[in-house]
Amino acid sequence: GQSLEQPSEVTAVEGAIVQINCTYQTSGFYGLSWYQQHDGGAPTFLSYNALDGLEETGRFSSFLSRSDSYGYLLLQELQMKDSASYFCAVRDAGGNTPLVFGKGTRLSVIA
Amino acid sequence: GAVVSQHPSWVICKSGTSVKIECRSLDFQATTMFWYRQFPKQSLMLMATSNEGSKATYEQGVEKDKFLINHASLTLSTLTVTSAHPEDSSFYICSAIDPTGGGSNQPQHFGDGTRLSIL
Repeated sequence: GQSLEQPSEVTAVEGAIVQINCTYQTSGFYGLSWYQQHDGGAPTFLSYNALDGLEETGRFSSFLSRSDSYGYLLLQELQMKDSASYFCAVRDAGGNTPLVFGKGTRLSVIA
Repeated sequence: GAVVSQHPSWVICKSGTSVKIECRSLDFQATTMFWYRQFPKQSLMLMATSNEGSKATYEQGVEKDKFLINHASLTLSTLTVTSAHPEDSSFYICSAIDPTGGGSNQPQHFGDGTRLSIL
């Protein structure tokens, strides 16, 4: 099976930078994904890392270290609208296998 | 725009009622779709994998006779919650993988979810 660990809550100030960590244990590994979910909404895709290193998409970046079974999501220039839950997710096989999600990190951005 | 459409978005019904939720892939054919359930302030938990033309695969602890899944075409999967009770109240989300996109990362697209409230 798979297990993912991420902090349950993070609070940060508007305009700051926040990092959300994720460690995982899987039998196989086909990449680490990050999703954002606002209250009452569906998860939306943010980023994906298959190889080690940093992927940047605007204010969001995601990092992966396969040797450490570790990744993080970095959010820069925080805005109030970034207050949401953030989930890391893995797929342990290719093809039509589903994502398995971490328990989520609730980010609160304060003024 | 949305690539996975889920309907209805909100259902309120009496205990004992059966409720059907539809999930459609709009721009691609999906031989496999997934159904997740999410309780308040918790993560998305995979319930079952819906396979076109064959039986669904259920995760441990999910009652297949209570959560009926039908995947009759390459663009439609349905989840029927039979004889729903208050403890079945939850947010149900379907998902499908686009086999044509993403290279090594075949994107998993999510519907907007169905909030089910059983009175």
